[in-house]
Amino acid sequence: SQKIEQNSEALNIQEGKTATLTCNYTNYSPAYLQWYRQDPGRGPVFLLLIRENEKEKRKERLKVTFDTTLKQSLFHITASQPADSATYLCALITAGNMLTFGGGTRLMVKP
Amino acid sequence: GAVVSQHPSWVICKSGTSVKIECRSLDFQATTMFWYRQFPKQSLMLMATSNEGSKATYEQGVEKDKFLINHASLTLSTLTVTSAHPEDSSFYICSAREHRSGGNTIYFGEGSWLTVV
Repeated sequence: SQKIEQNSEALNIQEGKTATLTCNYTNYSPAYLQWYRQDPGRGPVFLLLIRENEKEKRKERLKVTFDTTLKQSLFHITASQPADSATYLCALITAGNMLTFGGGTRLMVKP
Repeated sequence: GAVVSQHPSWVICKSGTSVKIECRSLDFQATTMFWYRQFPKQSLMLMATSNEGSKATYEQGVEKDKFLINHASLTLSTLTVTSAHPEDSSFYICSAREHRSGGNTIYFGEGSWLTVV
């Protein structure tokens, strides 16, 4: 069956450290993979998109990798800040233009 | 970045009544819009995909007669919850696909809280 798995347990890190979140998928062949940030009671906010033929994408303190062999994407936030605390969702866009979300990982950055 | 506006942000309605939620793409044309529902501490669940000028495609288990979706223009899609029941209380979110050369980004509205009493 098709699955998108993100660590359901909250990730707690100290301010200034690098946060690394994982997104694994099975039985998908995504054309794109996207990462979103969602704050409680708010809609998801788009962060980064990476295509299947790209290995890495950066935006300011954010870095996303995409390994289609491992079927995994890693999302890094360097020099993390308490304001980075939120739930981060990965989403796959498949060739049929369907968008499917993982369950999200809650990140807590402590001062 | 592109902006998607959703209205109302929150609404309270009585059981048995209908409520409409609007989703607008403010600075781009969206041929495809998506409607999601999210229960507390759970992931987004796709309800339906809405294409401008055609009928929406509903996900399995979503009642099309209960959740009416209209995508009458390239910038507006509406979701109407008909004969609402307390179990319909949820956070409803729309998103719109921005078509650009070499990209395929989807932007979300801020969501609408529906409480059925």
